[in-house]
Amino acid sequence: DAMVIQNPRYQVTQFGKPVTLSCSQTLNHNVMYWYQQKSSQAPKLLFHYYDKDFNNEADTPDNFQSRRPNTSFCFLDIRSPGLGDAAMYLCATSRGPEGGAFFGQGTRLTVV
Amino acid sequence: GESVGLHLPTLSVQEGDNSIINCAYSNSASDYFIWYKQESGKGPQFIIDIRSNMDKRQGQRVTVLLNKTVKHLSLQIAATQPGDSAVYFCAEKGEYGNKLVFGAGTILRVKS
Repeated sequence: DAMVIQNPRYQVTQFGKPVTLSCSQTLNHNVMYWYQQKSSQAPKLLFHYYDKDFNNEADTPDNFQSRRPNTSFCFLDIRSPGLGDAAMYLCATSRGPEGGAFFGQGTRLTVV
Repeated sequence: GESVGLHLPTLSVQEGDNSIINCAYSNSASDYFIWYKQESGKGPQFIIDIRSNMDKRQGQRVTVLLNKTVKHLSLQIAATQPGDSAVYFCAEKGEYGNKLVFGAGTILRVKS
């Protein structure tokens, strides 16, 4: 049973056209993360939520925003995608400081 | 700061041999560490974790060793199998509670 679900698996968007990626979880975890992963690189943390508390990484571009309307759902909004934003976007959840993070299968974003 | 893996190193092992994958982590205040396995096109998969009050933890065919003095983590895989071929990442948590940061990855290739 999938526990962290990302939709869609593949997303193609036009340069400059806003796009939203979604993540849902059935684990009832407090923490949700968004990572960006480019080819042959480690996942890079963009931001994370502890419940409603939002934590942005200092080097996350302003072009990236996030929403968490409830415990189960989290969204990544890219306001004006550039070619450099093409990557795999990973969502993960965790109980809190004491637990590991469980990942979804990712959304592969292509910008044309 | 975060470690981002570029030009991931590769470890090639013969099927049936033991594998040792190493990771140097960056933050001496980190107190929780996780190893992940990532197969092509998929999200990272939790393998094993260890807390800073331990120096060794064993799972099924895997062992994690932690040396806090030199900020070094290793993953040992016994009797490596073709299905173990993947990219392996270490990740750390601690100083900022829920923030989970990935270290550089290693590509493991298993030769039959």
